[in-house]
Amino acid sequence: KQEVTQIPAALSVPEGENLVLNCSFTDSAIYNLQWFRQDPGKGLTSLLLIQSSQREQTSGRLNASLDKSSGRSTLYIAASQPGDSATYLCAVWRVGQFYFGTGTSLTVIP
Amino acid sequence: GAVVSQHPSRVICKSGTSVKIECRSLDFQATTMFWYRQFPKQSLMLMATSNEGSKATYEQGVEKDKFLINHASLTLSTLTVTSAHPEDSSFYICSARNLDGRSGANVLTFGAGSRLTVL
Repeated sequence: KQEVTQIPAALSVPEGENLVLNCSFTDSAIYNLQWFRQDPGKGLTSLLLIQSSQREQTSGRLNASLDKSSGRSTLYIAASQPGDSATYLCAVWRVGQFYFGTGTSLTVIP
Repeated sequence: GAVVSQHPSRVICKSGTSVKIECRSLDFQATTMFWYRQFPKQSLMLMATSNEGSKATYEQGVEKDKFLINHASLTLSTLTVTSAHPEDSSFYICSARNLDGRSGANVLTFGAGSRLTVL
C-alpha cells in the first residue's frame, strides 16, 4: 500500500524566508502528484500538479519538484508571507486512488 | 477552473437524527467523487469512493449503513450520516476527480467541507 509522509509536521519561519516542504512516498509507480493548501476549517485548494513524466512545476512563488525514482517531492516557497500560513498536503495518484500525506503546518511570522 | 460546491458548510443536530451533505461539481461532470473525514490537526481519512450509477466503495472500518453515499447523477453525490451520535462530529470533505485542462491528468477538486456537530 502506498504511504505518503511529509516532513516536517510543523514549521515556523519569519516573513521573507525561503522554505522547503518535503513529501515522500513509498511506491514510485505514480501517475501524478498534487500539492494542496488547506486553511483552518476549509477545504483544500490545489496549488500545483506534477505529472509523472515531469520534474518540476512553477506557479508564482511556488516551485514543486518530483523525483520518482527516490520517491520524493519538494515544495519550495520563495519570500514567504504571513498569508502563506496554512497546512500543506501532498497527494499522489495511483491506480484509481489518491493517497494523501500527513501534512505540514506552516506559520509565517510577520 | 473546476469548482466543487459542498453544502451545508456547518450543521448542528441532535443525537439520533440523520444529516445529509451534498457535493456538486458545478462546471464539469464527475463520474468519481471521494468522501473524507478529517479530525482536528490530522490529515484526510478516505471514507469511500462514490461512483456515478453504482454502489460506493467503502474503506475498511467505515460503516456503510452509517454513512450512506448516493451518486445519482454526474454532478451530485450525497453523504447521509444516519442516526448521528456525538462521536460522528467531525469535518467532512468531498472531492471530485476530473481531468486537468492542460495535461489531461487526473486531478482532484475539493469542496469547502462541512463541519458536523452532534449534540
